[in-house]
Amino acid sequence: EAQVTQNPRYLITVTGKKLTVTCSQNMNHEYMSWYRQDPGLGLRQIYYSMNVEVTDKGDVPEGYKVSRKEKRNFPLILESPSPNQTSLYFCASSLAGSRETQYFGPGTRLLVL
Amino acid sequence: AQKITQTQPGMFVQEKEAVTLDCTYDTSDQSYGLFWYKQPSSGEMIFLIYQGSYDEQNATEGRYSLNFQKARKSANLVISASQLGDSAMYFCAMREGESSSASKIIFGSGTRLSIRP
Repeated sequence: EAQVTQNPRYLITVTGKKLTVTCSQNMNHEYMSWYRQDPGLGLRQIYYSMNVEVTDKGDVPEGYKVSRKEKRNFPLILESPSPNQTSLYFCASSLAGSRETQYFGPGTRLLVL
Repeated sequence: AQKITQTQPGMFVQEKEAVTLDCTYDTSDQSYGLFWYKQPSSGEMIFLIYQGSYDEQNATEGRYSLNFQKARKSANLVISASQLGDSAMYFCAMREGESSSASKIIFGSGTRLSIRP
């Protein structure tokens, strides 16, 4: 089954404790992306990646890191989480190009205390 | 700069009526795609419909159609014969760039649609 998986689905952590949210897709998609969703703001792009070893900043990259060592995986790293990073996070993947729709993971709900 | 505007934070519609959700966009690119997604209360993002900037006809997918007015930079979603299951958050999104290029993707702030029985 074609899908995007994210882990964990729910996470409660404390300020400053490094964490990683994993994202994996099995559709051989070139393009992968991370978003955060906050009430009233919609989804905002954090980072995106065109292909292996190619990543670019989205609109809200501060406080986040990503890596794309393999085509199928695109982990999101919070080196020192802060309460303002409490949010719902989505990973998505697609083929490259403006015509291509994205396939979204189920979301990761993060609470930083 | 890229921008997507959804001016209706919330809407209430009677079941079986048609509803139009507004979306305006701003871009300097000639090649772009416009997407609508539905997010029910369970949280997943569901793709509904796509319109390309060079497409001459408005997109349709079952009960969903997209009223694309390029000169006005609007891409409104029309849902015909609304159903209770249409109650959800709806997001308009834009993706720029040609097929070989990477690009940012931006979303509007969303419209929460509630269908009354």
